[in-house]
Amino acid sequence: GENVEQHPSTLSVQEGDSAVIKCTYSDSASNYFPWYKQELGKGPQLIIDIRSNVGEKKDQRIAVTLNKTAKHFSLHITETQPEDSAVYFCAASIGTGGFKTIFGAGTRLFVKA
Amino acid sequence: IAGITQAPTSQILAAGRRMTLRCTQDMRHNAMYWYRQDLGLGLRLIHYSNTAGTTGKGEVPDGYSVSRANTDDFPLTLASAVPSQTSVYFCASSPLAGGTGELFFGEGSRLTVL
Repeated sequence: GENVEQHPSTLSVQEGDSAVIKCTYSDSASNYFPWYKQELGKGPQLIIDIRSNVGEKKDQRIAVTLNKTAKHFSLHITETQPEDSAVYFCAASIGTGGFKTIFGAGTRLFVKA
Repeated sequence: IAGITQAPTSQILAAGRRMTLRCTQDMRHNAMYWYRQDLGLGLRLIHYSNTAGTTGKGEVPDGYSVSRANTDDFPLTLASAVPSQTSVYFCASSPLAGGTGELFFGEGSRLTVL
């Protein structure tokens, strides 16, 4: 089955700096790659996603890149702010009926003011 | 709109006891999921259901059972709880069967098995 690895497990940056989180996946059939943000005491919420027919997607300060050949994808947050502090999860899924989203282990991001 | 409602929010349980975690959604989503979240392991899928009347096993199904009698409800049952089932449990739903779309999560149920 699918396996998703995520690095680093913890990331600390200064406010205004960029943060990059990287993930790899094992199943070449995966074609949907969402990123979720989880704030303390809350459930995860989708912040951006990318499908396998696209190499890059951007939404304001957040961008995601996908390298299908290498089977890895990354989340980039620019101009970080203290409210970006949270746990971030990457995930992968296959777009066939009845399948499931597999998550990475998560990255705890600290943005220091 | 409430979205996904989970109950209880927190529970302490003696080992060997039976426990049902409740999950209700008001978005009329076809698919529903149960994940457990453990430090360093992320979110692991326990069971899922693509539509009312059908269920499937995820990555870590042992010791858990689910049912999907209707679209809105997806309870998770621990028949005989063990300490290794101490975790935070998240219910989620999505409008598309097959996991191709966004997952909408509840706020979680923190379960401690002693």
